[in-house]
Amino acid sequence: GESVGLHLPTLSVQEGDNSIINCAYSNSASDYFIWYKQESGKGPQFIIDIRSNMDKRQGQRVTVLLNKTVKHLSLQIAATQPGDSAVYFCAELYGQNFVFGPGTRLSVLP
Amino acid sequence: EADIYQTPRYLVIGTGKKITLECSQTMGHDKMYWYQQDPGMELHLIHYSYGVNSTEKGDLSSESTVSRIRTEHFPLTLESARPSHTSQYLCASSDYTTKTGSYEQYFGPGTRLTVT
Repeated sequence: GESVGLHLPTLSVQEGDNSIINCAYSNSASDYFIWYKQESGKGPQFIIDIRSNMDKRQGQRVTVLLNKTVKHLSLQIAATQPGDSAVYFCAELYGQNFVFGPGTRLSVLP
Repeated sequence: EADIYQTPRYLVIGTGKKITLECSQTMGHDKMYWYQQDPGMELHLIHYSYGVNSTEKGDLSSESTVSRIRTEHFPLTLESARPSHTSQYLCASSDYTTKTGSYEQYFGPGTRLTVT
């Protein structure tokens, strides 16, 4: 079946550096993607979304890049802070439901 | 802040017990979902509903059942809990916003279930 997967299960970055979290999706017909942040003991929280007619979308300290040619999605976090430590999921809208990848754990080092 | 609630937050029960996990949202969303998630792992869709009296099974086979009698309420029931049901269960609701072109999907805090 169609699935969304992440390249790296863990990522450690120094506080203040930029973080890049990657995601590969398999359904070329998908036209909507979301990045979620999940902190320990909480449900996933919406960060940013992007439609397939866009290559880039920026939010507050976050940027999502979409490369449809290679079916790749990335989340860039600028000036990573300790509060950014969490598990990050990408999700692909497939039909009317979302398919989630396995998640990348981001650890911010002091 | 998302207005979606789940109770209980934590539950430890014995094998064979019947349990119901509650989920309520006050946003008036038609679509609601139940996901199962092991720690740090991906979310697996087990049930969804597109409105009152509408329920469907998700991608992951589950021995649970759901009901949707009211828009705001989407409870999940396990008739006979087993240790293999130990997991975190996340409820979500969503709606499409034409203004922003976004699918607003909000998650509850989750119920962590342990079956002994």
